[in-house]
Parts: sequence; C-alpha cells; structure tokens
Amino acid sequence: QVQLQESGPGLVKPSQTLSLTCTVSGGSINSGSYYWSWIRQPAGKGLEWIGRMFASGSTNYNPSLKSRVTISVDTSKNQFSLKLSSVTAADTAVYYCALSSSGVEYWGQGTLVTVSS
Amino acid sequence: QSVLTQPPSASGTPGQRVTISCSGSSSNIGSNYVFWYQHLPGTAPKLLIYRSNQRPSGVPDRFSGSRSGTSASLAISGLRSEDEADYYCAAWDDSLSGRVFGGGTKLTVL
Repeated sequence: QVQLQESGPGLVKPSQTLSLTCTVSGGSINSGSYYWSWIRQPAGKGLEWIGRMFASGSTNYNPSLKSRVTISVDTSKNQFSLKLSSVTAADTAVYYCALSSSGVEYWGQGTLVTVSS
Repeated sequence: QSVLTQPPSASGTPGQRVTISCSGSSSNIGSNYVFWYQHLPGTAPKLLIYRSNQRPSGVPDRFSGSRSGTSASLAISGLRSEDEADYYCAAWDDSLSGRVFGGGTKLTVL
C-alpha cells in the first residue's frame, strides 16, 4: 500500500522560504507514469493546486505562485519536495502532497504550515 | 473566486440521490477531463471520479460522473451518512496552463 507523508517546519517567518518534503513508502516514486503534485488548503477555504512535476523533469505551476514555487524530486530517497519563497500570511495553509497516474492517486494526510513572526 | 463554480452546499436524506454541479468554461471543462474528490476534514482527499466519468478501483458505483459542454456533475445514489463530506471538482485549464479546483460543496446527510 503506497503511503505519502509530508514533513517540514510548521512555522515559517514572513519573507522566508517554506520547505516541505513528501516521503513515499510502499512503492517506488519513479514507477509507472506517476507525476508528483502539491496542493494546499487555507483554513475555511477550498483546495488550491500549487504545481506538479513529471518523471521527465517537466513542471507546471499555478500561475499565481509560479514566481515563488519550485518542485523537485529525489528518487534515491523516494521523496519529492516543495519550496515556496517570500511567504506571507496568505500562504498559511494545510499542504498536501499527491502521487498520481491515470485513475490512481495517493495523497498525504497534509501538514499545517503557519506563516507568522 | 474559483475558476470552477460549485454550489456551496447540498443535502439529502439516506437513500436519496443527490447531484452536485460544477460549471466551468471552454478552456477547462469544455476541453479537458473532470475529476471529483471527496474530502473529510483532517483526512486526505479521495479521488472519486477521473476522466469525467471513470471510477478508480474501490470507489462504489453509487458515485457517478458526467460532463456536458462546459459543465459537469457528480451524482451520489443511495445516499449514506458516511457520504457527508466536502466534494470538489477539478480540471486542467488550458488558458492558465494549470489545474483548477471548484470552491467545494459541503454535502449534508439529513
């Protein structure tokens, strides 16, 4: 059973960089035609797509976040990561990672990141 | 304001059939597949429908999806108390070159 777990600081100061890692267990991150995504949900609001990365290395990012987002993968550690720079209070949210292929998706339980001084 | 429009709430009684709508445009639903998710607070969202009307393995056939023009719908038949959750639609948007979600619909089982 594939499982995903997000990890990283729960508190980030304004203007700093938010860094999260998603560790995949129970399967290879690089198997099949998976791609890796990050999604977030601010308190009381809906889901917001952050971006995704394919095994080829190509990426797509939310246009509203594109200038601040980087998604990368470390296949040797079965992990992929999110970096979001110059954060503000508006970036406070539960952050989810997801592993997707046609008809198959695995999500992490989510991790709350608060941006505050 | 979400690119895809969903009603904020829906409700039904056990055994009933409920439908949740998702309205978009030609750049998203009109030209790309629609996905539906079930989200219980504090848990990971669960994929219910992919490619507009396909169910992943393990999803009961009580859940069905359809798409027509620039709108899509999720139907839940034989409503059960455990179906009470937030439901989101999603699609790729060619104009934005990104994935967009609906604002979510809170389903209450009365």
